[in-house]
Amino acid sequence: DSGVTQTPKHLITATGQRVTLRCSPRSGDLSVYWYQQSLDQGLQFLIQYYNGEERAKGNILERFSAQQFPDLHSELNLSSLELGDSALYFCASSHPGAGTDTQYFGPGTRLTVL
Amino acid sequence: GQNIDQPTEMTATEGAIVQINCTYQTSGFNGLFWYQQHAGEAPTFLSYNVLDGLEEKGRFSSFLSRSKGYSYLLLKELQMKDSASYLCAVRDHGYGGSQGNLIFGKGTKLSVKP
Repeated sequence: DSGVTQTPKHLITATGQRVTLRCSPRSGDLSVYWYQQSLDQGLQFLIQYYNGEERAKGNILERFSAQQFPDLHSELNLSSLELGDSALYFCASSHPGAGTDTQYFGPGTRLTVL
Repeated sequence: GQNIDQPTEMTATEGAIVQINCTYQTSGFNGLFWYQQHAGEAPTFLSYNVLDGLEEKGRFSSFLSRSKGYSYLLLKELQMKDSASYLCAVRDHGYGGSQGNLIFGKGTKLSVKP
């Protein structure tokens, strides 16, 4: 158990819908990262937050957005869903300045768009 | 551009040694990580290199040559439970107190046979 929690574990929805994925980082970690993993792709970095501020953006679609709240939990919002958005979505957290500042991953949310 | 290459699949025998190679070309470098990922589960941290040389951790060792853009993960005394995907990831530079995001290779699926 990495200490990072994600809800829900599974999500099944229809095309055109909107969903929200939630992530709670490990206690004391200030950075949260979101990644997408589909069958034919590796882990793709989406977006990073540090202490409530956006710090880096990767291959995140305009239909996707995220935020990090004052209690440091983060939410990833996916809208106008398409079949191709079906994937595993992971969040990871890290604590800057703590040794290697390793990213620890949550269990993921499996999104299925029908 | 960002490019991380590793073999797609490898097969090895229980009790043997296997070396998984990773080559990278990235615009920034702030450390190289190896993660293990069982199907449908979260990646779990295995090792970290930021300086050239070998890091040993029990049955797992990782090597880095920054001048060659090359790393390998060495697994000794293979066990059946080592059957998993092994992900090579380069960390980008961060700023303002935070570390950078991880850029992942597509992973090497290792099958350990009895």
